[in-house]
Amino acid sequence: DAKTTQPNSMESNEEEPVHLPCNHSTISGTDYIHWYRQLPSQGPEYVIHGLTSNVNNRMASLAIAEDRKSSTLILHRATLRDAAVYYCIPDNQGGKLIFGQGTELSVKP
Amino acid sequence: SAVISQKPSRDICQRGTSLTIQCQVDSQVTMMFWYRQQPGQSLTLIATANQGSEATYESGFVIDKFPISRPNLTFSTLTVSNMSPEDSSIYLCSVRPGWGMNTEAFFGQGTRLTVV
Repeated sequence: DAKTTQPNSMESNEEEPVHLPCNHSTISGTDYIHWYRQLPSQGPEYVIHGLTSNVNNRMASLAIAEDRKSSTLILHRATLRDAAVYYCIPDNQGGKLIFGQGTELSVKP
Repeated sequence: SAVISQKPSRDICQRGTSLTIQCQVDSQVTMMFWYRQQPGQSLTLIATANQGSEATYESGFVIDKFPISRPNLTFSTLTVSNMSPEDSSIYLCSVRPGWGMNTEAFFGQGTRLTVV
């Protein structure tokens, strides 16, 4: 199993970029990296996923290290509504997503 | 995409009773999962709900305690049986439309269960 390591918590100021790191040193070459977030009192929601190249969508960017042992989720301009727990998940369980502890992001006005 | 409706959204139950949670998806999906989220914790996968066959349970979860039905590709139920206060959690349904690993998962809003 590819285990992940994420900081327990991070803090950001509103309107500033946020870089959320994740280590997944045991990931295999074909495992996608998924990021989900869970806002307070809601179910998790998809943020982004990628394999090798950096990925961008309307919510965030995902930078994947060349050796694929780590990745960074980038929120370009944090808003108060981005306060959530962010989960980095290697997709290597036959379709099942196994959640770690995630990073709790707080955003200060 | 997929829109998931879970019922009930919350409930307060007496210990020793059972509660059945329903998960309805607006499209046919192959992969459907049930999670538990204990207070202040991350999500823990309970089982994969397989259409037309028995669910596949993760370590630490058994069918007698968490029976699951999956009669078709849009619906599943999870029953929490013989409840105790330790079963107080949020229970979430999740689906992954499509095939393979290059797909996103969708989650219901959860069922908040309190056992007294």
